[in-house]
Amino acid sequence: NAGVMQNPRHLVRRRGQEARLRCSPVKGHSHVYWYRQLPEEGLKFMVYLQKENIIDESGMPKERFSAEFPKEGPSILRIQQVVRGDSAAYFCASSPRDTYNSPLHFGNGTRLTVT
Amino acid sequence: AQSVSQHNHHVILSEAASLELGCNYSYGGTVNLFWYVQYPGQHLQLLLKYFSGDPLVKGIKGFEAEFIKSKFSFNLRKPSVQWSDTAEYFCAVNAESIGNEKLTFGTGTRLTIIP
Repeated sequence: NAGVMQNPRHLVRRRGQEARLRCSPVKGHSHVYWYRQLPEEGLKFMVYLQKENIIDESGMPKERFSAEFPKEGPSILRIQQVVRGDSAAYFCASSPRDTYNSPLHFGNGTRLTVT
Repeated sequence: AQSVSQHNHHVILSEAASLELGCNYSYGGTVNLFWYVQYPGQHLQLLLKYFSGDPLVKGIKGFEAEFIKSKFSFNLRKPSVQWSDTAEYFCAVNAESIGNEKLTFGTGTRLTIIP
């Protein structure tokens, strides 16, 4: 009964490199959410996706960040040309339907460190 | 601005002490309320949730929370804490006014239990 799987657990990138964070939702869940947790802050909503669709990306920075959830395979959060300020824990969560009626299941997160 | 507030950033208690963690939100209309817990090195787990009905909600591990609509509050309580309750606790809200799919988190409260 696998939960939400995120990999890698830790990712170190130098400034200017690309970071790819992967998230496999709970089997049968079609809704995926990405959150970012900066040091000493709470989780901030980034993006909400359903299969092949971005539903709400109001929390995504306008540049360098993108997300996808293809028909097959995991959801990917991609950060291009990383900067030190991107260092954070990135959490993926999934649910079988929108969170108004079903709680989120979280992964263990990917801790990104930009050097 | 609409938000979720957790005023206690770090709480330190001795074992067997009683616990109350504050959570206030500023959204109008119908809301769903959640408390999540993050044990050291682990992912966020749902402690309890309120959707409707009895405003006193009981969760796992002896935790409970009371929804007081007039105070826009959803405080978390436990009558007698244990060392294993050491963790970070997050209050979260979703509301029709911000889109059903968006779960907004407070900044979290770090709870340290001294044996």
